[in-house]
Order: sequence, then structure tokens, then C-alpha cells
Amino acid sequence: DIQMTQSPSSVSASIGDRVTIACRASQSVAGWLAWYQQKAGKAPKLLIYGATNLYTGVPSRFSGSGSGTDFTLTISSLQPEDFATYFCQQANTFPLTFGGGTRVEI
Amino acid sequence: QVQLQESGPGLVKPSETLSLTCGVSGYSISSGFYWGWVRQTPGKELEWIANIYHSGTTYYNPSLESRLTISVDKSKNQFSLNLRSLTAADTAVYYCGRLLGTAGRGVLDIWGQGITVTVSS
Repeated sequence: DIQMTQSPSSVSASIGDRVTIACRASQSVAGWLAWYQQKAGKAPKLLIYGATNLYTGVPSRFSGSGSGTDFTLTISSLQPEDFATYFCQQANTFPLTFGGGTRVEI
Repeated sequence: QVQLQESGPGLVKPSETLSLTCGVSGYSISSGFYWGWVRQTPGKELEWIANIYHSGTTYYNPSLESRLTISVDKSKNQFSLNLRSLTAADTAVYYCGRLLGTAGRGVLDIWGQGITVTVSS
């Protein structure tokens, strides 16, 4: 199985900060990488797919980059509604696998 | 808009079988897309379970495959999961979702609200 490792596991930030979350795959997943946002008690929401493509309705302050094994999710200016946990997922190889999550908190 | 809703028991005894259904509204399963199941453990880890197409083509997580069956009912516009020989390790929130991708691989762009399943006697 492809292991997905996220760093950091948590990050403290303030409104307006630029936040960067990393995701590393144990082997290449090409561009088959997605990012999700999850708030407490809710299902994850898709933010980014194909490593760099913003999903419909997602604010442009979110962006994704990377290919192969190293990926990044960036929030350019943190907003109050962005405090949540973020997960990456590879969709290149079965079984599909997720990272352990990064909690963005104040 | 497309909506998914999980249904099933919230409490199941060890060694029994979990049966969950995902009802889809706002879109016909027969029109396309793969549909899948993901679970989230109490420690918040996400685990992919399986995907299915309306034709019946399935992809299973090898770690669960020996205990798992997923199926689709096009007449009811729903798909289902059966997980046998449950243990406490199967306690999780179970989500169904629609896959954006190809050949069974993909990302979930629409999720159900999730159903909490506890395995306990």
C-alpha cells in the first residue's frame, strides 16, 4: 500500500496567515492527489483534486501543488471558517489511501 | 443537487454482519460515476473500503476483501455494503460517496453525512 504522510500534524495560525501543509507519498502517485477539509462532526469536503485543480465552489485562497511524491496545500490568507482538519488522499493505486490529517487551529 | 444518505444500524454485536445502504438522490446511479465507501476510526484515520459501478464492477480494499461485499440496486438508486465477522476494530463512522475519477480510482467529491457504527456486545 502507498503510505501518505502529512506534516505537520497540527499547526497554530492566526487570521490572515499563510498556511502550508505537506503530504508525502511512499511512492509516486503522479498527479493523483486530493485534499479534503473536515470540520468536527461533518463529512470531509473535497478542496483540490488532481493535485492542483480547485473543486467547484472552493475559495481561491486554497491552492495545491506538487507531483510524484511531494505535495502541498496552501491557504493564502487564513479565514475563520478554515480552522479544520485537512487530509490528503492518493487516487493513483489501489488501495486508495489517506494521510493522517493536519489540524489547523488558533 | 446530488445527495447521499447512509442508513443502517448504529450498534452491532461482535461476529455479526454489518449491512449499510447508501441512498442517492438528484442523480441516477445508472448514468455513471463510481460510488464508494470510506470509514473513519475513532482516532480520525480515514480508510477506503470499496468502490462500485452501476454495472457491478467492484474494487475492494484487500485488508477487508475477505469479509466484504458491496452491491448496487439500480431500481432503488442505492448501493450497499455488507461487512462480516465484525470486531471492535470495525467501530467507525461509515461514509458513502461519489467518485470523481476513472477506472474505479478517484476522489470523493460528494459525501453522505456519515453513520456511526459501534461494534459491542
